[in-house]
Amino acid sequence: DVKVTQSSRYLVKRTGEKVFLECVQDMDHENMFWYRQDPGLGLRLIYFSYDVKMKEKGDIPEGYSVSREKKERFSLILESASTNQTSMYLCASTMGGTGLNIQYFGAGTRLSVL
Amino acid sequence: AQSVAQPEDQVNVAEGNPLTVKCTYSVSGNPYLFWYVQYPNRGLQFLLKYITGDNLVKGSYGFEAEFNKSQTSFHLKKPSALVSDSALYFCAVRGLGGATNKLIFGTGTLLAVQP
Repeated sequence: DVKVTQSSRYLVKRTGEKVFLECVQDMDHENMFWYRQDPGLGLRLIYFSYDVKMKEKGDIPEGYSVSREKKERFSLILESASTNQTSMYLCASTMGGTGLNIQYFGAGTRLSVL
Repeated sequence: AQSVAQPEDQVNVAEGNPLTVKCTYSVSGNPYLFWYVQYPNRGLQFLLKYITGDNLVKGSYGFEAEFNKSQTSFHLKKPSALVSDSALYFCAVRGLGGATNKLIFGTGTLLAVQP
């Protein structure tokens, strides 16, 4: 069965802290994504990666960076956490190709920045 | 630019009644459309997609969606709702440009099925 695992379900951090959100997929997928989900705004793409060490900005990359050193792992980094980054963060992965493939999602990490 | 709109924040339906969750789209080129569902405290799960061909697409859990080009709509439907269908539903369209694997999601519609 397909699996996308996010390392934490809940995180509480302080303003200014550096925060790492980890995501691992076991499907050998080329593409991985980080979204944030906020009520009334749906899912917004932060960053995605189409190969190891390759990344592309999404719609709201400000305040975030990413790392993909291995194919199965995609990390989201909040360089200096702020309260407006309190949100639900979802990781997803999909096979490479035409963009018509299913995205598989992790269960999400609910981050609170105090 | 590609976009989808979900005009209803919430849809309420009684168990056993038919349900419709609405989605309209705006695209350049061919529309590639998706529906995903999010159950409480879970990630999103794929329901169905429209690529080409038959305008009625069948998906998981008894859901189907009707693609209507003239109305630029892709509404999600089910003939008989279950309480367990209560969840948050997202419509999405494939993005354009360098990120062809990107999906652009709507704002979501909360479906509440009453017993």
